[in-house]
Amino acid sequence: DTGVSQDPRHKITKRGQNVTFRCDPISEHNRLYWYRQTLGQGPEFLTYFQNEAQLEKSRLLSDRFSAERPKGSFSTLEIQRTEQGDSAMYLCASTPSGGGDTQYFGPGTRLTVL
Amino acid sequence: TQLLEQSPQFLSIQEGENLTVYCNSSSVFSSLQWYRQEPGEGPVLLVTVVTGGEVKKLKRLTFQFGDARKDSSLHITAAQPGDTGLYLCAGANTGNQFYFGTGTSLTVIP
Repeated sequence: DTGVSQDPRHKITKRGQNVTFRCDPISEHNRLYWYRQTLGQGPEFLTYFQNEAQLEKSRLLSDRFSAERPKGSFSTLEIQRTEQGDSAMYLCASTPSGGGDTQYFGPGTRLTVL
Repeated sequence: TQLLEQSPQFLSIQEGENLTVYCNSSSVFSSLQWYRQEPGEGPVLLVTVVTGGEVKKLKRLTFQFGDARKDSSLHITAAQPGDTGLYLCAGANTGNQFYFGTGTSLTVIP
């Protein structure tokens, strides 16, 4: 399967703990996006990378959130000192260079903060 | 900030009925995508429309992009239980950002 993959699929953590999620985009896709989605709502943009450069960050992304894409391939999203309000589905999507506006999504990581 | 409003938010219909979902915005987008999402999974792309007034058909699904590229509609003919899911529209701007709509949850009852 050459689609976007995310790991883990589910994460349960206690409030105050740090968590890290990984996203592997489709090979050679140069743009990578992170979104957060709560139940019954559409995804909300968090940040995106073009290759290894983080080009845009949403105001939703507090200083407890950090994302990296060190080699322009996979990306990680870390949440420090998790809060119950961080509970959501975290989605990753990638877009090919010159591929217009088509995003391909991964299956998401469901985070539950107790 | 949600720039795209979808209506209706929830829709429950009988198998065989037709339905239309609307996606409206005050912003102009360079393109607009429609996705369907199953519970616990990521959105799956259905179609991308680019040109104002464009109409695309995907089997029983018909997608239209408004002339001003601010709105779109999705029409499903003879809905089937397999059409059940969350339908999302997303607008792309020239800065490579995507803004998702509020979603329409469709249930098709056999």
